[in-house]
Amino acid sequence: DAKTTQPNSMESNEEEPVHLPCNHSTISGTDYIHWYRQLPSQGPEYVIHGLTSNVNNRMASLAIAEDRKSSTLILHRATLRDAAVYYCILLQDSNYQLIWGAGTKLIIKP
Amino acid sequence: DTGVSQDPRHKITKRGQNVTFRCDPISEHNRLYWYRQTLGQGPEFLTYFQNEAQLEKSRLLSDRFSAERPKGSFSTLEIQRTEQGDSAMYLCASRTPGQPYSRAFFGQGTRLTVV
Repeated sequence: DAKTTQPNSMESNEEEPVHLPCNHSTISGTDYIHWYRQLPSQGPEYVIHGLTSNVNNRMASLAIAEDRKSSTLILHRATLRDAAVYYCILLQDSNYQLIWGAGTKLIIKP
Repeated sequence: DTGVSQDPRHKITKRGQNVTFRCDPISEHNRLYWYRQTLGQGPEFLTYFQNEAQLEKSRLLSDRFSAERPKGSFSTLEIQRTEQGDSAMYLCASRTPGQPYSRAFFGQGTRLTVV
């Protein structure tokens, strides 16, 4: 199974942009890259997903490297409510399963 | 609120007892997933239904675990003869039909504590 690698934790100041990296060097050509976030004692919440092109939505942007071996989730202006564990996940084409890593704990400093 | 409901939210049980959790997915979603999550870890896949058919089971799903999705609507996850190692958050997710790469909608989870 393809795996993802993320930093264990990152800190950022409130109202500044945040760039969360993810490595997925064993990604296959048809695996989608999904990002979810999770607050304590809650279920994961969808953030964004993409295949090859960069993607934007109201929550975030996803920048995907040309070789697709890495991606970066961009929060344009972090707020305290963005403090969560962020998971970079591959959605496998073979069985549509989400393969989860350990995630990055994002700490936002006021 | 994502539209996926799980019941109960919390369950404390004694070792050796049986427990059953329920998941109500978004009504038009034909794909339903169960995950288990322990503290500090990402969710681990347990099993997957497409409509009423259980298409995939993880090796994590020992013979003490069983899941059903009668009529392709709600799903139940039963754990027999619970052990302390079963203590975890059990998450249910559903996805829309016809879009295999679409986002998953997660419930709030059921927190199981085995004492």
